[in-house]
Amino acid sequence: DAGVTQSPTHLIKTRGQQVTLRCSPISGHKSVSWYQQVLGQGPQFIFQYYEKEERGRGNFPDRFSARQFPNYSSELNVNALLLGDSALYLCASSPDRVGEQYFGPGTRLTVT
Amino acid sequence: AQKVTQAQTEISVVEKEDVTLDCVYETRDTTYYLFWYKQPPSGELVFLIRRNSFDEQNEISGRYSWNFQKSTSSFNFTITASQVVDSAVYFCALSLGNTDKLIFGTGTRLQVFP
Repeated sequence: DAGVTQSPTHLIKTRGQQVTLRCSPISGHKSVSWYQQVLGQGPQFIFQYYEKEERGRGNFPDRFSARQFPNYSSELNVNALLLGDSALYLCASSPDRVGEQYFGPGTRLTVT
Repeated sequence: AQKVTQAQTEISVVEKEDVTLDCVYETRDTTYYLFWYKQPPSGELVFLIRRNSFDEQNEISGRYSWNFQKSTSSFNFTITASQVVDSAVYFCALSLGNTDKLIFGTGTRLQVFP
């Protein structure tokens, strides 16, 4: 089975722009979580979606939003980009609301 | 509040040496899960193990072993006979019983030299 996939791999945006990142979970997995990893630090939790509903939200501003589709794929949107949003954005999926989480390769976002 | 501490920022060893990565966690919840992930230079987090708070049995998987001690709130990871391919950043993480939210430590960078 394919693992978690994310697109795009890399992205360069300008301050103030908006970005959409995409994630496809492992087949059969219903939970998707998003994390931000700034260089040199551990990943920080942004959102969890389970069965298309938001189940958890980390300490991120309202500029960050997400959604989950009927096929359990997910999008993360970030508006009004700041230089500090430059990071590796990781998506993880798990079969249930609480389970082993498997991560995708990430999307590296650079904001200039 | 929940917290994970990985006090070792970087460890360097020579191939075939054993190495232990330390992880100390804080939580007042009685139901929680502990994880270890490996992050090679490619950036993808690789799942290594999940342990729940009610299972203190140590686990061995090949050259990897984990020691969970609730009395000291520690979940240490040992690599026996390290190899160059073990070079990566290793993260310890904690989640509570009702959510997938992972709380990560700051990671330990392991460098294994030939």
